[in-house]
Amino acid sequence: AQSVTQPDIHITVSEGASLELRCNYSYGATPYLFWYVQSPGQGLQLLLKYFSGDTLVQDIKGFEAEFKRSQSSFNLRKPSVHWSDAAEYFCAVGISGGGADGLTFGKGTHLIIQP
Amino acid sequence: NAGVTQTPKFRVLKTGQSMTLLCAQDMNHEYMYWYRQDPGMGLRLIHYSVGEGTTAKGEVPDGYNVSRLKKQNFLLGLESAAPSQTSVYFCASSYPGNTIYFGEGSWLTVV
Repeated sequence: AQSVTQPDIHITVSEGASLELRCNYSYGATPYLFWYVQSPGQGLQLLLKYFSGDTLVQDIKGFEAEFKRSQSSFNLRKPSVHWSDAAEYFCAVGISGGGADGLTFGKGTHLIIQP
Repeated sequence: NAGVTQTPKFRVLKTGQSMTLLCAQDMNHEYMYWYRQDPGMGLRLIHYSVGEGTTAKGEVPDGYNVSRLKKQNFLLGLESAAPSQTSVYFCASSYPGNTIYFGEGSWLTVV
């Protein structure tokens, strides 16, 4: 069975500083990887996903994540955080991009932005 | 532009009471899921369904039942609620082999 580890429960970053959230997974084959973001009292919104191809995936808000097979990692980065980025971030691994038995989630990293 | 809709959004139950959470999706997805979210635990899969009329157990199925009578709906039932079932419940759906989309959550408190 697959598993996901997010080693940092809380991370505090100053506004404008760079960010890296760590995610390590355990899975026997090539995984499908996701980052979801959850604002307080809200559901989970998809941030980034990796299915195949280019190992660096990016979104329009400046987030990027890189799949590194050799390190079994899918770390999330952003060069300059904004106060609105404060949220809970979940890394998840799935079979076939969310196969019949869904995704396995990490326990989340709570991102705090200091002014 | 509804996506995945869950009702109710908030509910308080007494121990031993029963209730049903309703999930509806308008994306014609084959797969549907129920997760629960607890502090420090991330999301854990309760039950899932790969199509109308089919259901299967996830990681934490005890104390819950589900039904998928229509493709667009996935119901989660608690027959006899316990305080340990106090949680936030998320429904989700997807096409096979594709991204999973989540509802906004249902906050359940069992007293």
